[in-house]
Amino acid sequence: TQTVSQSDAHVTVFEGDSVELRCNYSYGGSIYLSWYIQHHGHGLQFLLKYYSGNPVVQGVNGFEAEFSKSDSSFHLRKASVHWSDSAVYFCAVSAPGNTGKLIFGLGTTLQVQP
Amino acid sequence: GALVYQYPRRTICKSGTSMRMECQAVGFQATSVAWYRQSPQKTFELIALSTVNSAIKYEQNFTQEKFPISHPNLSFSSMTVLNAYLEDRGLYLCGAKTGYEQYFGPGTRLTVL
Repeated sequence: TQTVSQSDAHVTVFEGDSVELRCNYSYGGSIYLSWYIQHHGHGLQFLLKYYSGNPVVQGVNGFEAEFSKSDSSFHLRKASVHWSDSAVYFCAVSAPGNTGKLIFGLGTTLQVQP
Repeated sequence: GALVYQYPRRTICKSGTSMRMECQAVGFQATSVAWYRQSPQKTFELIALSTVNSAIKYEQNFTQEKFPISHPNLSFSSMTVLNAYLEDRGLYLCGAKTGYEQYFGPGTRLTVL
């Protein structure tokens, strides 16, 4: 059974700060990991994904995430946040054989203060 | 580019009535379409996964009798919420998959009165 855990429900930082949003997963086989962003009142926007290769993946708007098999983690980072980064961030896991089923974490609300 | 459209964006229905929502993939051929629901203050739950020419697979808490889905071709899918009640309110997302990429539409927000 695949599970996704986002340990922080809320994260508050100031504009210009760096931020790390944590995601841990449990799954024994090959895995596909992704991050999505949901602005208030909207649907999901894709940020980045990892399946294989370089464990550090770059996404849109300066986001990056690092896959760690030993820690079963896929934390999302940004070096300098902007107020417009305020949103809910969802980590998701999918086994390639599942053909489209994503299991989402509960989400982390990021609030960027001016 | 690859886009997923959903219609309507917002809808209100009376308790006990039904409403249909649509999902259109543009710019790519979807190999599967997944319907998710985000209830208020919650994460996204998979309702069902639909692959063209294969049976639609529903998750444990969702049934075809309640959420019938039509997926006639690689670019279009529709789902109906039958006999909607308060617990059915939320944001319904359509995710269309091609290869390892899954693209989401903006969602249909359902309010039940």
